[in-house]
Amino acid sequence: GAVVSQHPSWVICKSGTSVKIECRSLDFQATTMFWYRQFPKQSLMLMATSNEGSKATYEQGVEKDKFLINHASLTLSTLTVTSAHPEDSSFYICSAPSNPGYTDTQYFGPGTRLTVL
Amino acid sequence: AQSVTQPDIHITVSEGASLELRCNYSYGATPYLFWYVQSPGQGLQLLLKYFSGDTLVQGIKGFEAEFKRSQSSFNLRKPSVHWSDAAEYFCAVGPSQGGGNKLTFGTGTQLKVEL
Repeated sequence: GAVVSQHPSWVICKSGTSVKIECRSLDFQATTMFWYRQFPKQSLMLMATSNEGSKATYEQGVEKDKFLINHASLTLSTLTVTSAHPEDSSFYICSAPSNPGYTDTQYFGPGTRLTVL
Repeated sequence: AQSVTQPDIHITVSEGASLELRCNYSYGATPYLFWYVQSPGQGLQLLLKYFSGDTLVQGIKGFEAEFKRSQSSFNLRKPSVHWSDAAEYFCAVGPSQGGGNKLTFGTGTQLKVEL
């Protein structure tokens, strides 16, 4: 089946630094990718929709300048957490539909654990 | 606005026992409903989905779920749980085709299996 990878799987950084997380669709092209955030023992919360060749669409309450999203190609989307602070520590998950017209074709990456010291 | 409620945060069952995980939803239109399983270090895996038709849907790994419109529920069941089923389970609701792929997830149910 379709595979979505994320890199890195975990990262620890100092407060004030920026961290980039990559999301790749390995065997299909994804014009759209989704970024979620998951706090411990909580649900996945959609942060933004990444669109290849255009600006990302952010959910209400998500800071665009803090969470920079770039969908540079049909197989790669990146999420950059700028000037990270301890409250940004979380589990970040991306997903991509192999067929944008069908919700059930969405595949999820394994997630990236971000810890900000 | 759509929402998904999973009332049970943790469930513990003995191996071989039956399992039912509850899911209730609120959605303005005809919902597309999903159950995903999340294991440590792995991405969410789709167990099953309901779009229309037969309200009892079969999924992978021996799971099934029943859609009950009158109760706004989509409970996940398995007749006999295996130790490898221990994981986090998420119920989700999404739009119909053409409405985008945004999914709204419940808070998850952590399943522990006792040997």
